[in-house]
Amino acid sequence: NAGVTQTPKFRVLKTGQSMTLLCAQDMNHEYMYWYRQDPGMGLRLIHYSVGEGTTAKGEVPDGYNVSRLKKQNFLLGLESAAPSQTSVYFCASRPGTSGGSVEQYFGPGTRLTVT
Amino acid sequence: GQQVMQIPQYQHVQEGEDFTTYCNSSTTLSNIQWYKQRPGGHPVFLIQLVKSGEVKKQKRLTFQFGEAKKNSSLHITATQTTDVGTYFCAAGNNRKLIWGLGTSLAVNP
Repeated sequence: NAGVTQTPKFRVLKTGQSMTLLCAQDMNHEYMYWYRQDPGMGLRLIHYSVGEGTTAKGEVPDGYNVSRLKKQNFLLGLESAAPSQTSVYFCASRPGTSGGSVEQYFGPGTRLTVT
Repeated sequence: GQQVMQIPQYQHVQEGEDFTTYCNSSTTLSNIQWYKQRPGGHPVFLIQLVKSGEVKKQKRLTFQFGEAKKNSSLHITATQTTDVGTYFCAAGNNRKLIWGLGTSLAVNP
């Protein structure tokens, strides 16, 4: 049981390049989330999903797209990377509202640098 | 929108001293969660509080939810070097969490 995994762990991009971050969970969780964490800014929600095939915007969605084609995977795409997107990206998951537990389980993070 | 204010932003203590972080909201919260993030790590769930006036303990950690459900606190008794990290409160609204900015705790041995 690996929990929540993220690929890659580190990445350096040049301005304008695109990339996809992969999040996978093996806990059969309904809800999945993408956050970014910057010094002094806490955790900010980018996009989230409440089930396979659904996505919704969080508080900082601009410049990012997401897809949830399979329940266990949540992909975060950067279409044209900008230096302002340099950050640590965390994926998290939790059971749906009928599952009892509300705790979010986090992946180890992806450290992205855009030059 | 709903905001959660967390204070202090930083706290530096000597090992053995107590530590408290506070979380405040201008609106009534349905529940509040606390997470700990070690340096270089990811947030890890500590506890959830739901009831007005609720107090829960985990060894040296005491969590409280205010009577009006607008504030919460985390108190650590006799800090240890293993308590180092950032402590976040987060208010739940069914589908997502509203996060405080966290309190970073440093402990001098």
